[in-house]
Amino acid sequence: GQQVMQIPQYQHVQEGEDFTTYCNSSTTLSNIQWYKQRPGGHPVFLIQLVKSGEVKKQKRLTFQFGEAKKNSSLHITATQTTDVGTYFCAGPPTGGYQKVTFGTGTKLQVIP
Amino acid sequence: EADIYQTPRYLVIGTGKKITLECSQTMGHDKMYWYQQDPGMELHLIHYSYGVNSTEKGDLSSESTVSRIRTEHFPLTLESARPSHTSQYLCASNSQGEASPLHFGNGTRLTVT
Repeated sequence: GQQVMQIPQYQHVQEGEDFTTYCNSSTTLSNIQWYKQRPGGHPVFLIQLVKSGEVKKQKRLTFQFGEAKKNSSLHITATQTTDVGTYFCAGPPTGGYQKVTFGTGTKLQVIP
Repeated sequence: EADIYQTPRYLVIGTGKKITLECSQTMGHDKMYWYQQDPGMELHLIHYSYGVNSTEKGDLSSESTVSRIRTEHFPLTLESARPSHTSQYLCASNSQGEASPLHFGNGTRLTVT
């Protein structure tokens, strides 16, 4: 079945440093979605990318979708303590839009 | 703010009890999902539904069952709870279409003693 891996699993950064998490799928994705889960909370949708090679920005967050639509990345510039949480990528395989498989997640800790 | 509601928020029960976790959404979404998540870990899809009278098992085998008699309601039942069922259960929904984001409920944290 489809597998979606994220690296790193954990990341501790000093406040103000940059952070990147990478997402790799074993199958081609029809789209990629990113979610953020605060400690003790539930996943909250951040953004989705649909086109091959697409890049989107949300303030300090930059999202990329790979050319082959099998990988994606999330980059945070100048992290803040409010960025703490676990970031998940998720996406249905091409032709399998009913099932959204989540990545393994990257837990970000920001040291003030 | 939440348009998808889960009850109870926390549940502690003894082994062997039957439990039902409730999930309702007011957005008219056709697709609904149940995910199981241990603290700080991955989300595992255990059940999903395309619409009324449609249910499918997810990627992670689960002893739970679901039903979808009404569009807005997607309850999950455990006939006989065991300590291995201790986890957080998250309900989600989205509308039809490939690029539709998931809306999650606040989750039910289940502890089986």
